[in-house]
Amino acid sequence: NAGVTQTPKFQVLKTGQSMTLQCAQDMNHEYMSWYRQDPGMGLRLIHYSVGAGITDQGEVPNGYNVSRSTTEDFPLRLLSAAPSQTSVYFCASRFNTGTHGYTFGSGTRLTVV
Amino acid sequence: DAKTTQPPSMDCAEGRAANLPCNHSTISGNEYVYWYRQIHSQGPQYIIHGLKNNETNEMASLIITEDRKSSTLILPHATLRDTAVYYCIAEYSSNTGKLIFGQGTTLQVKP
Repeated sequence: NAGVTQTPKFQVLKTGQSMTLQCAQDMNHEYMSWYRQDPGMGLRLIHYSVGAGITDQGEVPNGYNVSRSTTEDFPLRLLSAAPSQTSVYFCASRFNTGTHGYTFGSGTRLTVV
Repeated sequence: DAKTTQPPSMDCAEGRAANLPCNHSTISGNEYVYWYRQIHSQGPQYIIHGLKNNETNEMASLIITEDRKSSTLILPHATLRDTAVYYCIAEYSSNTGKLIFGQGTTLQVKP
């Protein structure tokens, strides 16, 4: 049971490049979410999903796309990277029963130059 | 989801109980109170949650007032490793899946 796995752990992008941050969980969790955390700031919700095929926008969705084709995977795509997207990105998952909280991954540290 | 209010920072002596307050005066009857913490730059960690009864697990205790307008997270014997940012969040039990973090309380445990 690996929990929530995020790859890569570190990434440097040039402005305008696109990339996909990977998130996978092996706990059969229905809910998955993506957050970003800027230096010295709190976590902000980007997108979330309550099950395969269902996604919704969070607080700061602009510049990001998501899809949820399987229960296990919830990739986050940066369409055209900007320096303002330099941040630490966290993925999280949990069951839909609310009997436990979210389990978070260890994060992807992204720098856009 | 109800807005929660927490003090921005608190100190606690090592070995003493840390009592972290949270105000959620607009909470509705079907909203749970969840507590998470984030140690340094790691991913947040779930601690405990409750609806109206007090709850205890191996990490902490959660005391919710009878009117549910506030709650307190108790770390019974704080250690230096408990230094972290603690977040109190109200989330609908109808499970929207949408978890919004506030600013949290930075707890500094001092030797």
